[in-house]
Amino acid sequence: GENVEQHPSTLSVQEGDSAVIKCTYSDSASNYFPWYKQELGKGPQLIIDIRSNVGEKKDQRIAVTLNKTAKHFSLHITETQPEDSAVYFCAASPFSGGYNKLIFGAGTRLAVHP
Amino acid sequence: GAVVSQHPSRVICKSGTSVKIECRSLDFQATTMFWYRQFPKKSLMLMATSNEGSKATYEQGVEKDKFLINHASLTLSTLTVTSAHPEDSSFYICSAPGTSGSTDTQYFGPGTRLTVL
Repeated sequence: GENVEQHPSTLSVQEGDSAVIKCTYSDSASNYFPWYKQELGKGPQLIIDIRSNVGEKKDQRIAVTLNKTAKHFSLHITETQPEDSAVYFCAASPFSGGYNKLIFGAGTRLAVHP
Repeated sequence: GAVVSQHPSRVICKSGTSVKIECRSLDFQATTMFWYRQFPKKSLMLMATSNEGSKATYEQGVEKDKFLINHASLTLSTLTVTSAHPEDSSFYICSAPGTSGSTDTQYFGPGTRLTVL
């Protein structure tokens, strides 16, 4: 089955710096890659996603890139702010027809220091 | 937007009792919902896929008799933890595919923290 690895597990940056989180996946049939932000005690919130027919997608300070050949995708956050501090999860969706389940990475705890 | 709610947000119960957690899609219908379990500082682990009007599909290693799932309507799925034990203490989160036209995008509920004494 699909396996998703995520690095780094923790990331500490100064406010205004950029943060990059990387994930790799194993199943070449996976075709959907969302990123979620989870704050303490809350459910994950979708922040951006990308599909396998697209190489890059951007939404204001957040961007995601996908390299299908290498089977890895990355989250880029620019001009980080303290409110970006949270745990970020990448996920991959192996195609199985119908509504596809998500396989999550281990998560990255991002701390943005003022 | 696609809003998913869960009830209760927190529950504390005694060992041996059963606990029911509800997951509702508030502004859309969901024929499929997913149930996840998350231990402290860990990732989300898919437990089962809840299907409206039919049996749930459980992931390998998840006891179906322990975690009963009922998807009785297009907006409600319930997870019942039967004969709960302290090792069942965890954060349980449900999700449902949204209505953006894509079958991929999933929206998560706020989670239910279960503590079994």
